[in-house]
Amino acid sequence: AQSVTQPDIHITVSEGASLELRCNYSYGATPYLFWYVQSPGQGLQLLLKYFSGDTLVQGIKGFEAEFKRSQSSFNLRKPSVHWSDAAEYFCACEVGGSQGNLIFGKGTKLSVKP
Amino acid sequence: GAGVSQSPRYKVAKRGQDVALRCDPISGHVSLFWYQQALGQGPEFLTYFQNEAQLDKSGLPSDRFFAERPEGSVSTLKIQRTQQEDSAVYLCASSWQGRDYGYTFGSGTRLTVV
Repeated sequence: AQSVTQPDIHITVSEGASLELRCNYSYGATPYLFWYVQSPGQGLQLLLKYFSGDTLVQGIKGFEAEFKRSQSSFNLRKPSVHWSDAAEYFCACEVGGSQGNLIFGKGTKLSVKP
Repeated sequence: GAGVSQSPRYKVAKRGQDVALRCDPISGHVSLFWYQQALGQGPEFLTYFQNEAQLDKSGLPSDRFFAERPEGSVSTLKIQRTQQEDSAVYLCASSWQGRDYGYTFGSGTRLTVV
């Protein structure tokens, strides 16, 4: 069965430091991949998505992610974290042909130290 | 509207009660999805509508869960005879034509069964 793994439950970084959130997926073919952010009491906001083509994807709020087929990974990065980035981040994949049937990881909670 | 609207934001139900959760998608969005997010977990897919047709209900956990979208816009998720394990945030998402256009999530309804 398809699955998404986010190995880090909670990460704390200092403001201004770089960030990398890990995501691994399990699926035979290339899935459609997404990163979402969720602030407390809010819905999910799409940061970026990858379907095909250039493996480095740029998103909103200065985030980027790189698809690596050989590692079945889709890690999210940001060069300099801001205090407002503190939130929970979810990686998700969608199996081709299953519209909207996103498989989410369990999320990584990001805390930002001043 | 500008976003996906869900009501109520919070619902407390006594075990055994029936509940109805409402989702108003973005005007013109053809696709609508329901997800269940348990505490500390990522969202899990419940069901998918394209207009008024329910094309995928593979994620509905039991026959106590029922969703409808009779006119192809507003959708209602109904849970009959609620159980404690139904306590979760129920998220609705909509999309104009599927993954290529992204999925916009609402803020969710937090259901607590006591």
